[in-house]
Amino acid sequence: EVQLVESGGGLIQPGGSLRLSCAASGFTVSSSYMSWVRQAPGKGLEWVSVIYSGGSTYYADSVKGRFTISRDNSKNTLYLQMNSLRAEDTAVYYCARGVGAFGLDPWGQGTLVTVSS
Amino acid sequence: QTVVTQEPSFSVSPGGTVTLTCGLSSGSVSTSYYPSWYQQTPGQAPRTLIYSTNTRSSGVPDRFSGSILGNRAALTITGAQADDESTYYCVLYMGGGGVFGGGTKLTVL
Repeated sequence: EVQLVESGGGLIQPGGSLRLSCAASGFTVSSSYMSWVRQAPGKGLEWVSVIYSGGSTYYADSVKGRFTISRDNSKNTLYLQMNSLRAEDTAVYYCARGVGAFGLDPWGQGTLVTVSS
Repeated sequence: QTVVTQEPSFSVSPGGTVTLTCGLSSGSVSTSYYPSWYQQTPGQAPRTLIYSTNTRSSGVPDRFSGSILGNRAALTITGAQADDESTYYCVLYMGGGGVFGGGTKLTVL
């Protein structure tokens, strides 16, 4: 069974850093493309970042230069390093496996990041 | 900056058919945008319905279908059921990444 489990969320002060993890099972992260998507409280979904199997990475303008997506093939885990965090980064962060040309399936259960002093 | 547009809300009667759409603030949606659709209920992670315009995710009933209608991507639900009441999001592939629409809140009544 394909499964994704996020962790690493929590309360962090503005300007701080946090690293999210997404542990995958049932498939190989390195042979898929993987995305992070976030959802601010009461708001819609926002695509954040993608890493393709070849290693190319892309970011939403809102996080470019502050967030870094990566993976550890030996741990079959996806990461999102978040630096210079702002209040507007407060959201539930989901990881998702890529399917087809740019589908997201399945999704993890999400991890909440709260940026507040 | 290109914005992905969706109807903010829609309603459908039980057993009825509804088509939700996904467009661009500038330009037309084509299969090259690889539109995908997701269903979300409050407090839950999104569920994948359709990807690559019209491919159903595993386990999704065939009353959910995806297409391109005119200059927009479309999600059609036939035989609407009470538990279809959710928010539906589309996402379009653009320049290496994706952009979500604002979501359509569907009411079944």
